Amino acid sequence: DAGITQSPRYKITETGRQVTLMCHQTWSHSYMFWYRQDLGHGLRLIYYSAAADITDKGEVPDGYVVSRSKTENFPLTLESATRSQTSVYFCASSVPTYEQYFGPGTRLTVT
Amino acid sequence: AQSVTQLGSHVSVSEGALVLLRCNYSSSVPPYLFWYVQYPNQGLQLLLKYTSAATLVKGINGFEAEFKKSETSFHLTKPSAHMSDAAEYFCAVSEGGTSYGKLTFGQGTILTVHP
Repeated sequence: DAGITQSPRYKITETGRQVTLMCHQTWSHSYMFWYRQDLGHGLRLIYYSAAADITDKGEVPDGYVVSRSKTENFPLTLESATRSQTSVYFCASSVPTYEQYFGPGTRLTVT
Repeated sequence: AQSVTQLGSHVSVSEGALVLLRCNYSSSVPPYLFWYVQYPNQGLQLLLKYTSAATLVKGINGFEAEFKKSETSFHLTKPSAHMSDAAEYFCAVSEGGTSYGKLTFGQGTILTVHP
């Protein structure tokens, strides 16, 4: 399917486990982003990437790791999940005129 | 540093009434400004964008926004609300250039439309 997809859409995991959220886009956009959305905080940038093998921290990077070996994929890993990482995670990709296109989100619950 | 303030976390209007969602920004350079809409359990969808062309920007679903530099505002309006407009709306700013197109979002405004 064309566009930007995220998997899984829903995930429940236990504290301390490693979790990887997947993001895939078919537009060959250079820029990709990960956000978390929490009540009262809006959307906060976790990590972003300007191109394959180029990543940088956003506003709330602690506890997260990203990689980008291919332009179309931008996985987000929680190395040791904590309850504070319970959230809805959105991936986005961007065109040069800066508007971002968002995936459908992954709802993650850490118990 | 760029920032966005959305005035009013909740706005309620009657069907057919004017919709006005307020957004003020701060930016050290001429900004790019965006409005996004989020329906329940979905991602964000771009409504419209301002990128230094016309100050009155028309978007999808009958929405428009006016960039006012003197007021550092980018308010979103729609002349006549429809039930399907009920959603959460986010204003966002980007300074472009070497910021990699990073967006800073406002806290969001939940729009309720009642019959």
